[in-house]
Amino acid sequence: KNEVEQSPQNLTAQEGEFITINCSYSVGISALHWLQQHPGGGIVSLFMLSSGKKKHGRLIATINIQEKHSSLHITASHPRDSAVYICAVARSGGSEKLVFGKGMKLTVNP
Amino acid sequence: NAGVTQTPKFQVLKTGQSMTLQCAQDMNHEYMSWYRQDPGMGLRLIHYSVGAGITDQGEVPNGYNVSRSTTEDFPLRLLSAAPSQTSVYFCASSKGGSRGYEQYFGPGTRLTVT
Repeated sequence: KNEVEQSPQNLTAQEGEFITINCSYSVGISALHWLQQHPGGGIVSLFMLSSGKKKHGRLIATINIQEKHSSLHITASHPRDSAVYICAVARSGGSEKLVFGKGMKLTVNP
Repeated sequence: NAGVTQTPKFQVLKTGQSMTLQCAQDMNHEYMSWYRQDPGMGLRLIHYSVGAGITDQGEVPNGYNVSRSTTEDFPLRLLSAAPSQTSVYFCASSKGGSRGYEQYFGPGTRLTVT
């Protein structure tokens, strides 16, 4: 079983919809990263969380350490949000290495 | 700032050839990493460095070498290319480790080994 699981694997939405992307992990962590990979391939960091909630524009990321779960919410989705969203965790203790989920492909139709 | 740059963007190699993928960053970041991305799999760590002169193996290091002689540069060497190394390669850097710092990624190098 992968240490980081994302669901759903693919999601198609209509412009304007509220979208939730989930990430569950099975190891103790010290931080969780949400990344966005554009159709052209570039990867950008959206959030880094160790507790609670962060907001940037239309994006909100939350994490529940006890339940080993994080969500990325997109409000008022737009076709330009179409991308692959990747969750990655930094295990607690020792290594700084990131463990990545397989990503979730989001398509937002106009 | 240019951020993290990678060259080349695309490369085709024949089995057995060697080559170096270049990665540079101008943000004075201590941490640099190389990942490969294959269809249906998450990014996997090849090698990483926590500072000039210090490197360590990641999850899939076989067939690859790295060195870190300066803070800015972190080249990845393929010693004898194999078709299994066909992949997209990303270099990343951060000010500190992944436990507390944002990761910055290069644009990627798409490598095909025939």
